[in-house]
Amino acid sequence: GAVVSQHPSWVICKSGTSVKIECRSLDFQATTMFWYRQFPKQSLMLMATSNEGSKATYEQGVEKDKFLINHASLTLSTLTVTSAHPEDSSFYICSAVRAGDYNEQFFGPGTRLTVL
Amino acid sequence: GIQVEQSPPDLILQEGANSTLRCNFSDSVNNLQWFHQNPWGQLINLFYIPSGTKQNGRLSATTVATERYSLLYISSSQTTDSGVYFCAVRAPSGTYKYIFGTGTRLKVLA
Repeated sequence: GAVVSQHPSWVICKSGTSVKIECRSLDFQATTMFWYRQFPKQSLMLMATSNEGSKATYEQGVEKDKFLINHASLTLSTLTVTSAHPEDSSFYICSAVRAGDYNEQFFGPGTRLTVL
Repeated sequence: GIQVEQSPPDLILQEGANSTLRCNFSDSVNNLQWFHQNPWGQLINLFYIPSGTKQNGRLSATTVATERYSLLYISSSQTTDSGVYFCAVRAPSGTYKYIFGTGTRLKVLA
């Protein structure tokens, strides 16, 4: 149990376009999901906390108009990178916690975004 | 905010060797997890261990919360153990977010 999927696994887009990344909890309900960003050979940096049915909470320095998060159901959160630029190229990872049990996070496989 | 430092930053082992990875955190925490990030980027849960000791096969972990550190032991290392090991902690502040450590990059040679 506790499987999290992400789609797509990788995406290449042109500068100025928007890209949507989906994060799904496959076998459990997740009232809270997290979005992270990871640059090569660095640690994970939390971008935002996504709560089902409410607005996301963004970490300091993360542009909320740039990284739109929607958590419309108990199994799906989406991250949209709007007007992407080369500096947005990165590895984006989501995680989810089981509803009612916030102790462990379970991670998706990540999405590698390359903006040309 | 809480600072989480891991040591060593890099480690190279011969297959069959044992190792200890350390995670130090700067303030009280109420949760701690260890993860292995494989070469494809997937994070795999190793241990949820806010305190005490746990073992799972060749891996074991100990957290001494009062002294603000956790240790991950890898015995009889295998090439498939290669990757990056992260600890992540959660502050008792009412939010559920985890803060990740700096990571230990492990390479096991055949």
